[in-house]
Amino acid sequence: QQQVKQSPQSLIVQKGGISIINCAYENTAFDYFPWYQQFPGKGPALLIAIRPDVSEKKEGRFTISFNKSAKQFSLHIMDSQPGDSATYFCAAWGNNDMRFGAGTRLTVKP
Amino acid sequence: DAGITQSPRYKITETGRQVTLMCHQTWSHSYMFWYRQDLGHGLRLIYYSAAADITDKGEVPDGYVVSRSKTENFPLTLESATRSQTSVYFCASSPGQGVGGYTFGSGTRLTVV
Repeated sequence: QQQVKQSPQSLIVQKGGISIINCAYENTAFDYFPWYQQFPGKGPALLIAIRPDVSEKKEGRFTISFNKSAKQFSLHIMDSQPGDSATYFCAAWGNNDMRFGAGTRLTVKP
Repeated sequence: DAGITQSPRYKITETGRQVTLMCHQTWSHSYMFWYRQDLGHGLRLIYYSAAADITDKGEVPDGYVVSRSKTENFPLTLESATRSQTSVYFCASSPGQGVGGYTFGSGTRLTVV
């Protein structure tokens, strides 16, 4: 069973809009939550990560919001650009185990 | 070149054949991982290694074998390839579990016919 559930599967956003990808986890032992960005033909690359002692982390146009009580976290991409078009994976790590969501294919239309 | 490299990038093999995918990293990271990526499943862990000569099963280890005689190399072998093993395989490394995320290679696209 999937321990990290990610939605939506695909997302189309206009240039300049906000992209939001959501993830939910079950295992309360998870204590590190990275997001990865993957371009076609490439491996996933670490984009931004958060630990559960903070509710939000921002790096440039990318923000992670974290809700520990709901066991949910989300990635917000502000001012989305065509260059952000990629597949995004959330992940959760704990007890020597990293679990990935199924991925969201983001398309930013010019 | 610094980084993590996988070879080959593409491989077509026949059912029943043995095939080995190579992974090499230059950072001396302790941890190395093998994932397979399939549509709808995201990334699933096949095997991982905490150090040379220490390996352990992940979520989907059946049909795969790994070894790690040197810190920098972590080959993945499909002993008798099946069509269900058609996938994109990614190797990753990390200085420590959960530390700074994982660094992935560019992947090997394997097709079993």
